[in-house]
Amino acid sequence: KAGVTQTPRYLIKTRGQQVTLSCSPISGHRSVSWYQQTPGQGLQFLFEYFSETQRNKGNFPGRFSGRQFSNSRSEMNVSTLELGDSALYLCASNAGDRYSPLHFGNGTRLTVT
Amino acid sequence: GIQVEQSPPDLILQEGANSTLRCNFSDSVNNLQWFHQNPWGQLINLFYIPSGTKQNGRLSATTVATERYSLLYISSSQTTDSGVYFCAVEDTGKLIFGQGTTLQVKP
Repeated sequence: KAGVTQTPRYLIKTRGQQVTLSCSPISGHRSVSWYQQTPGQGLQFLFEYFSETQRNKGNFPGRFSGRQFSNSRSEMNVSTLELGDSALYLCASNAGDRYSPLHFGNGTRLTVT
Repeated sequence: GIQVEQSPPDLILQEGANSTLRCNFSDSVNNLQWFHQNPWGQLINLFYIPSGTKQNGRLSATTVATERYSLLYISSSQTTDSGVYFCAVEDTGKLIFGQGTTLQVKP
């Protein structure tokens, strides 16, 4: 069974631009979560999607948004990029209930210059 | 929200040594997971363990939910065990991660 797949692996963007990251969950998993990892703040929850609906949201500004498609694939978008958005963005999937283990992709490393 | 604290923050071992990593959390939880992040950034799920004890090869974990802590044991450590170990607990539908324990295993 294929794992969680994230694309692209690396991105370099300029301040003010926008970026879209993609995540394909493990087959059969209906929940997709996104996390931001930085050296200063550690791993922080962005949002979770289940059956194409945002089920939970972290404390990030509205510049961070996401969506989920009918095949459970998910995208997250960051608009008006700031230098502080440079981070490793991790996507995770699970079966959708709160007691299922979470499985992460390899992440997208975003650098904003 | 729930606070998660991990100790020690850093750990250096010689290959073959054993270690214990600790995770304290501030409230009762129904979901606790341990992860290993390798030097390339990939997070691997080690255990889903809201209570009790589990073992997987050289790794084992114990969660004492009533006392709000979990322990991860690594026996006969190998250089491939190096990386950062995270404990995470569920709080209102999202996982809250500790700051991690960085483990370096020297050959």
